[in-house]
Amino acid sequence: DAKTTQPPSMDCAEGRAANLPCNHSTISGNEYVYWYRQIHSQGPQYIIHGLKNNETNEMASLIITEDRKSSTLILPHATLRDTAVYYCIVSPLSYNTDKLIFGTGTRLQVFP
Amino acid sequence: NAGVTQTPKFQVLKTGQSMTLQCAQDMNHNSMYWYRQDPGMGLRLIYYSASEGTTDKGEVPNGYNVSRLNKREFSLRLESAAPSQTSVYFCASRVSPGQGADGYTFGSGTRLTVV
Repeated sequence: DAKTTQPPSMDCAEGRAANLPCNHSTISGNEYVYWYRQIHSQGPQYIIHGLKNNETNEMASLIITEDRKSSTLILPHATLRDTAVYYCIVSPLSYNTDKLIFGTGTRLQVFP
Repeated sequence: NAGVTQTPKFQVLKTGQSMTLQCAQDMNHNSMYWYRQDPGMGLRLIYYSASEGTTDKGEVPNGYNVSRLNKREFSLRLESAAPSQTSVYFCASRVSPGQGADGYTFGSGTRLTVV
């Protein structure tokens, strides 16, 4: 699995957009980019994933560069409840054997 | 639906004691996983079971054994606990082959301290 690099921490004002970057320069053609978050030592929660096109859902947007070597998770209007550790993970979509390999993530602090 | 249920939520063991962490899911998922998380670290995969009847090692399997008892239940056993196994343990499940990693559901964790 490709390795990812994320900043250890970021701050964001409540109501503003939070942009969380991730580098994955060794990503393979069959590997997706996934984002999960972990709120206060709870179990991780899925946010979004994508292959090469930008994706959006009710929680966030995912922007993947054309060369797929980096991506950005965007929380459009951060709230205090978005304070969490965010993990960027690359993984192939495969039968039975895909498994999440976590890095240390980015700790996002949303302040009032 | 309860999702993924882990028991116990907290446990203190003495060095050398054994115990089994239990995990059960009620979502009819095929694949199940055990992770550990040490303070300030990301989760590390211990063992996983892609389907009922199969188990495979993850990144950090030493000191652990697992049993996929049936489709619902996946247990993690520490035969002789060591202080290095002090951690938070997370169980997860995923629905079926071919579904990507967005299908993972995690339990709330078991906080284990070995003294």
